Amino acid sequence: DTEVTQTPKHLVMGMTNKKSLKCEQHMGHRAMYWYKQKAKKPPELMFVYSYEKLSINESVPSRFSPECPNSSLLNLHLHALQPEDSALYLCASSHWQDPNSPLHFGNGTRLTVT
Amino acid sequence: SQQGEEDPQALSIQEGENATMNCSYKTSINNLQWYRQNSGRGLVHLILIRSNEREKHSGRLRVTLDTSKKSSSLLITASRAADTASYFCATEGTGGFKTIFGAGTRLFVKA
Repeated sequence: DTEVTQTPKHLVMGMTNKKSLKCEQHMGHRAMYWYKQKAKKPPELMFVYSYEKLSINESVPSRFSPECPNSSLLNLHLHALQPEDSALYLCASSHWQDPNSPLHFGNGTRLTVT
Repeated sequence: SQQGEEDPQALSIQEGENATMNCSYKTSINNLQWYRQNSGRGLVHLILIRSNEREKHSGRLRVTLDTSKKSSSLLITASRAADTASYFCATEGTGGFKTIFGAGTRLFVKA
């Protein structure tokens, strides 16, 4: 079990669907992250939030829309995805003030786009 | 973008043997971290070494960092079947808060 909780664990959606991935942490971390991981590849950074504000967007297509409604929650809204967007989506959190704070990951949402 | 490169890509050893994985990176860093990922799960942080440190130990793990060569190694001693997983190095640049992962090493420990 991890201290970062992601829901759902699995998601299958069509290319015209709208869905959301959710992430929650109660460690008091003020930095939260979305990573995308394809099979047998390393995680790729998508977004970084610090103090509920978007700090980094790694040129992610607009069909992925992040949201940080409060310090404990991070959402990723999905719309009009493509089959190549199928992947494991990982949420992580860390202390913002400490540059040597490691990332704490959830177990991810396995997304399949049909 | 990928910062670290790791070798070997895959490693198969017998239980009780030591496993060594190497990581190289390209830019200046604040720290280098190692993570483990079991199949289909999230990543678990193992150990962090700061740019001004050369060696660090944690249980059966030993990490070295050579900033002049921009490289690091992870040694797992007396491996166990439960160590079977993918291992990733990750670097945080001097700008901070942008942790980038290497390609990873898939370790298989045979009982």
